[in-house]
Amino acid sequence: NAGVMQNPRHLVRRRGQEARLRCSPMKGHSHVYWYRQLPEEGLKFMVYLQKENIIDESGMPKERFSAEFPKEGPSILRIQQVVRGDSAAYFCASSPRRGEAFFGQGTRLTVV
Amino acid sequence: AQKVTQAQTEISVVEKEDVTLDCVYETRDTTYYLFWYKQPPSGELVFLIRRNSFDEQNEISGRYSWNFQKSTSSFNFTITASQVVDSAVYFCALSGNSGNTPLVFGKGTRLSVIA
Repeated sequence: NAGVMQNPRHLVRRRGQEARLRCSPMKGHSHVYWYRQLPEEGLKFMVYLQKENIIDESGMPKERFSAEFPKEGPSILRIQQVVRGDSAAYFCASSPRRGEAFFGQGTRLTVV
Repeated sequence: AQKVTQAQTEISVVEKEDVTLDCVYETRDTTYYLFWYKQPPSGELVFLIRRNSFDEQNEISGRYSWNFQKSTSSFNFTITASQVVDSAVYFCALSGNSGNTPLVFGKGTRLSVIA
C-alpha cells in the first residue's frame, strides 16, 4: 500500500509564476490536509478537503492560494503569482478519519 | 483554541545519554489525540506515536517511551541511550475530535546527538 505521494519533491519558481503542488492520498483515504512549514518553524495548517469539497480553509491566505480535491485524481494546491515569502515546505497528509494523519514527503518550493 | 508548546528549541546530548523532549498542550476538547513526529535532515515527517485522551498509560517502543499526564497537560517523549541517528527535529501535535480539527503542531525541538 503506497504512502501519501507528493510531487514534485522540489520546485523552483520565479516571482510571479504559478506553483502547482500535487498530493495523491493513500488508497482508501478520503480526507486530505495541506500544511506549510516555513524555515525553522513547525507546520501550520492551511486547508482540509474531502473529495470535491473544501471543509476548512481557515489557514489559507486570502489571496493567490487555492486548493482542490477532485473526484478523480490528486489534490492540488495552487499558488498564483508566487512571492519570495511563499518559499517553504508544503506537506500533504491523508486520513481515513479525523484525528489521524499520514504525511507525504513534502514539496520544497523555492521562489527566486 | 488549541495550542502545543515545545519549550526546548534545541537540545544537544552525547551518544548513549537519555534525553526527554517536553510537550505541553492546551485544548477544551474532552476527546483529543496527541502525536509525535520525527523530521530527520532529509525533511520527511516520520510518525512515531498517536495517543488518545482516554488512554493515560505510558508507552514504550524500543528505546522510545512516552509519558502522558492529563493532570499537567503534558505528553513528554524520552529517548533512552540516544544514538546519532536520533538527530532530528521532533514535533508534538494535537488534534481535537470535535468538528473537523486538523493537527496543531508545536514549533519542534531540534535534537543533536554527538558521537
